[in-house]
Amino acid sequence: EAQVTQNPRYLITVTGKKLTVTCSQNMNHEYMSWYRQDPGLGLRQIYYSMNVEVTDKGDVPEGYKVSRKEKRNFPLILESPSPNQTSLYFCATSGGLSSYNSPLHFGNGTRLTVT
Amino acid sequence: RKEVEQDPGPFNVPEGATVAFNCTYSNSASQSFFWYRQDCRKEPKLLMSVYSSGNEDGRFTAQLNRASQYISLLIRDSKLSDSATYLCVVNPPSYGKLTFGQGTILTVHP
Repeated sequence: EAQVTQNPRYLITVTGKKLTVTCSQNMNHEYMSWYRQDPGLGLRQIYYSMNVEVTDKGDVPEGYKVSRKEKRNFPLILESPSPNQTSLYFCATSGGLSSYNSPLHFGNGTRLTVT
Repeated sequence: RKEVEQDPGPFNVPEGATVAFNCTYSNSASQSFFWYRQDCRKEPKLLMSVYSSGNEDGRFTAQLNRASQYISLLIRDSKLSDSATYLCVVNPPSYGKLTFGQGTILTVHP
């Protein structure tokens, strides 16, 4: 079954404690991206990756890092989380460069609370 | 001007009604367009792609107007199960930076 798997689903942490949200896909997709969703602001792109070892900033990259060492994984790293990063996070993948009409497949989401 | 704009609603309609949403985009070179549906606190799921000539899937019709730079979604014979947030997505020429509208909330009531 085609899947995008995010972990954890829920995370409560404290300011400054480094955390990683994992994202893994089994569809051999080239394109992967991270979004955060906040009330009234919709989905905003944090980072995206067109392929292995290629990452680029989205609209709201501050305070986040990503890596793409292998095709299937695209972790989101918060080195020093702050309360304004409390949000609902989604990972998404797509067939990518070969198909401009390739839709996004989303993970189930990670609800992060930073106190 | 925002890159992608949607009327956030909410739209409250009775079962059986026809309802339409629009989504405007600012980059005239945008290449592909989609409508996604999102249920409360869940991940967005593709509803339909939007093709230049317009396309239909059952009760749903999507249209693209490049001259006026907007896409639309028409839902006929609304069902209770259509209650959700509808997101438009625009793929600009710089493919990686997909842009979402803020979503339109639809509530269908008995």
